[in-house]
Amino acid sequence: DGGITQSPKYLFRKEGQNVTLSCEQNLNHDAMYWYRQDPGQGLRLIYYSQIVNDFQKGDIAEGYSVSREKKESFPLTVTSAQKNPTAFYLCASSAIRILSNQPQHFGDGTRLSIL
Amino acid sequence: AQSVTQLGSHVSVSEGALVLLRCNYSSSVPPYLFWYVQYPNQGLQLLLKYTTGATLVKGINGFEAEFKKSETSFHLTKPSAHMSDAAEYFCARGQAGTALIFGKGTTLSVSS
Repeated sequence: DGGITQSPKYLFRKEGQNVTLSCEQNLNHDAMYWYRQDPGQGLRLIYYSQIVNDFQKGDIAEGYSVSREKKESFPLTVTSAQKNPTAFYLCASSAIRILSNQPQHFGDGTRLSIL
Repeated sequence: AQSVTQLGSHVSVSEGALVLLRCNYSSSVPPYLFWYVQYPNQGLQLLLKYTTGATLVKGINGFEAEFKKSETSFHLTKPSAHMSDAAEYFCARGQAGTALIFGKGTTLSVSS
């Protein structure tokens, strides 16, 4: 079945450490997204990418980095500069370069916590 | 800036009662609108979407939503709540050139 796979499901970060969250999709979607979810704050956009080798900052990009070397993959690195990384991270994709009528499809998320 | 507002962060209903979750959007142009559901520790699942055409949209699990341009609303309803409907619900709108804009979510509790 086609879908979006996020790994790992749970991740722990030590102080000063960078960690990378994986997101892979086999839907042949062009656009991919990363969101951060905190209780009561909804989904906040971190980064998005419309095509390979191109990505744009979202509303809360500071302390995060991404790459888009392959259409199927859009990994997110949470750097040591992100002082409050504890959250639920969601990856999503949509079929065509971002059109306003396209729904987004979501993975099952990665929960990141500080050790 | 264009936005989506969900009225009520928490809604409680009894099993069998009507579910009404409210969503209003700000825009001078009719938007594309979506409702998603999220169960604990899972991603978001698309319930339904409004793009063009019929203003009453039917989705999965017995949910439907009506687009009302005059009220800038897209409220989600279900005639009879089931225990399995307990989850968090998000309203979202499409915006050209960038990601969907999400409301802050409404948690639905269903009691027996």
